[in-house]
Amino acid sequence: AQSVTQLGSHVSVSEGALVLLRCNYSSSVPPYLFWYVQYPNQGLQLLLKYTSAATLVKGINGFEAEFKKSETSFHLTKPSAHMSDAAEYFCAVSDLNFGNEKLTFGTGTRLTIIP
Amino acid sequence: KAGVTQTPRYLIKTRGQQVTLSCSPISGHRSVSWYQQTPGQGLQFLFEYFSETQRNKGNFPGRFSGRQFSNSRSEMNVSTLELGDSALYLCASSLGGGSEAFFGQGTRLTVV
Repeated sequence: AQSVTQLGSHVSVSEGALVLLRCNYSSSVPPYLFWYVQYPNQGLQLLLKYTSAATLVKGINGFEAEFKKSETSFHLTKPSAHMSDAAEYFCAVSDLNFGNEKLTFGTGTRLTIIP
Repeated sequence: KAGVTQTPRYLIKTRGQQVTLSCSPISGHRSVSWYQQTPGQGLQFLFEYFSETQRNKGNFPGRFSGRQFSNSRSEMNVSTLELGDSALYLCASSLGGGSEAFFGQGTRLTVV
């Protein structure tokens, strides 16, 4: 069974500082990995996805993530935090074999930006 | 291009009642998935439909059911509501075959 683990349910960073949100995955097949963001009372918005092409994936709003097979990690980073980045972030995995669109989510990390 | 639309946005029901939630996917998307989000359990997969067929089902009791129509619109139904069914129910649509999923804003169900 596939799974993802997000280390740190709450992360606080100062405005302008580096954002690092951690995600480790477990999968018996080459995984597809995703990062989603959720603002209060909203659905999920896709930030970026890894589908076995380039290991460094660039997403929206200045976020990027690096797939490291040796570490089974897919950490999300942003060089400089902005107040608007305050939200909850979810890492997700799927084997996305044809016929399986199921996403398995981590428990989420709430990001707080300190002015 | 319109996004995924879920109706209603908010719903209050009484224990024992049943409820139907609706999801209209992005035009052209044939895959629709449903997720339940609660503070305690997080985001959990309910089921996925593709071209009117249920392809995958999560670990939920039979009180939770769904269907998909020929226009790809989907409904999920929960019968005999329990307090623990209070949650945000999210619908996601995709083209299928590994393409990214787009989520609606969700329906917040409160069972009293």
